[in-house]
Amino acid sequence: QKEVEQDPGPLSVPEGAIVSLNCTYSNSAFQYFMWYRQYSRKGPELLMYTYSSGNKEDGRFTAQVDKSSKYISLFIRDSQPSDSATYLCAMRSGGSNYKLTFGKGTLLTVNP
Amino acid sequence: DAGITQSPRHKVTETGTPVTLRCHQTENHRYMYWYRQDPGHGLRLIHYSYGVKDTDKGEVSDGYSVSRSKTEDFLLTLESATSSQTSVYFCAISLTTGGDEQFFGPGTRLTVL
Repeated sequence: QKEVEQDPGPLSVPEGAIVSLNCTYSNSAFQYFMWYRQYSRKGPELLMYTYSSGNKEDGRFTAQVDKSSKYISLFIRDSQPSDSATYLCAMRSGGSNYKLTFGKGTLLTVNP
Repeated sequence: DAGITQSPRHKVTETGTPVTLRCHQTENHRYMYWYRQDPGHGLRLIHYSYGVKDTDKGEVSDGYSVSRSKTEDFLLTLESATSSQTSVYFCAISLTTGGDEQFFGPGTRLTVL
């Protein structure tokens, strides 16, 4: 079983839709969770960062973590064509570990 | 882009030749990383550095070496390139001790023929 599983999609939605992106993980030591957005032929950029169970909101984006189920989600409200990108989840265990484990990414297309 | 540049941005080389990729940062961050990104595999850590001359292996370090002789530069070397090393290589820096909030460079697209 992979440490981090992420549905690669592709996911295609109409503009204005609510998008839900998800990752599951098997390593209970993971404590810190991130979502990165990657546009085509660009480097990933950090979108959301959280270290506790529950929700964290930033504008149209909400990150949700359920440590008991080992499941994280990213919700995008009022999706825009500019949200079209690959979304990568990433996570890290505690302590002085500098290494992130990434999901393979979900390709999202928002159609105008 | 957190002041990260990578060079070259594109390179085509032949099997068996040595290749060095350079990552340069302008903001004096301690932690630097090299990843490769391949379809079906996502981002995988090759090597990382937590200070000048302090480096450690990631999950796919075989065939790669790194050096960091000054804070701003982190070099990735393929001693003898193979076709399996055809990939997009990303450098990243971290703003935090734990390495969570990583900022990535623009990437180097390497093709080994």
